[in-house]
Amino acid sequence: QKEVEQNSGPLSVPEGAIASLNCTYSDRVSQSFFWYRQYSGKSPELIMSIYSNGDKEDGRFTAQLNKASQYVSLLIRDSQPSDSATYLCAVKEMGSGNTGKLIFGQGTTLQVKP
Amino acid sequence: DVKVTQSSRYLVKRTGEKVFLECVQDMDHENMFWYRQDPGLGLRLIYFSYDVKMKEKGDIPEGYSVSREKKERFSLILESASTNQTSMYLCASSTPGQGTYGYTFGSGTRLTVV
Repeated sequence: QKEVEQNSGPLSVPEGAIASLNCTYSDRVSQSFFWYRQYSGKSPELIMSIYSNGDKEDGRFTAQLNKASQYVSLLIRDSQPSDSATYLCAVKEMGSGNTGKLIFGQGTTLQVKP
Repeated sequence: DVKVTQSSRYLVKRTGEKVFLECVQDMDHENMFWYRQDPGLGLRLIYFSYDVKMKEKGDIPEGYSVSREKKERFSLILESASTNQTSMYLCASSTPGQGTYGYTFGSGTRLTVV
């Protein structure tokens, strides 16, 4: 069973701090990784994707990938109350042809306190 | 702006009714997916389709069927609605391959079965 694991939280950080969200995955051959943000009652929204080992930065967001450790993380710098949401880690499933199916973690709830 | 559109945002149906949830995408995506999302259970895949008239069962297909007669439209059918099918239903689409293209989600349909 291919799995994606996240700590459900809640992760609470003060406004302006760095929030660090972590995710591990079981399928060693996975190549594509995604972070989605989901506000309460809304659908998930893609915020970052990463394909290569190392860091990928987009504004206040940095995705980090370490394939050897099967670990992907999301850093949010200068956290704002508007960042309070559930963050879903997703891994594209290998070995299933071209279906592009994603395996999702349970999500980590982030609370940014003013 | 590319979109995945779900026909209803909120829906209330009676037990035993046949329910149709519609999803349309304008991105010419080959792959389309139906998930349900429940508190504490995360996103669970019901069915997906990688081509017109093609479908595959996901993790929880029981009580559901799907139809994909045209590339842009993927319908989820609850054959005889039951109260345990009360949930948030999310449609998504994607392109095939192992690139860094994730899902685009629709806005979701919150279904209540009474």
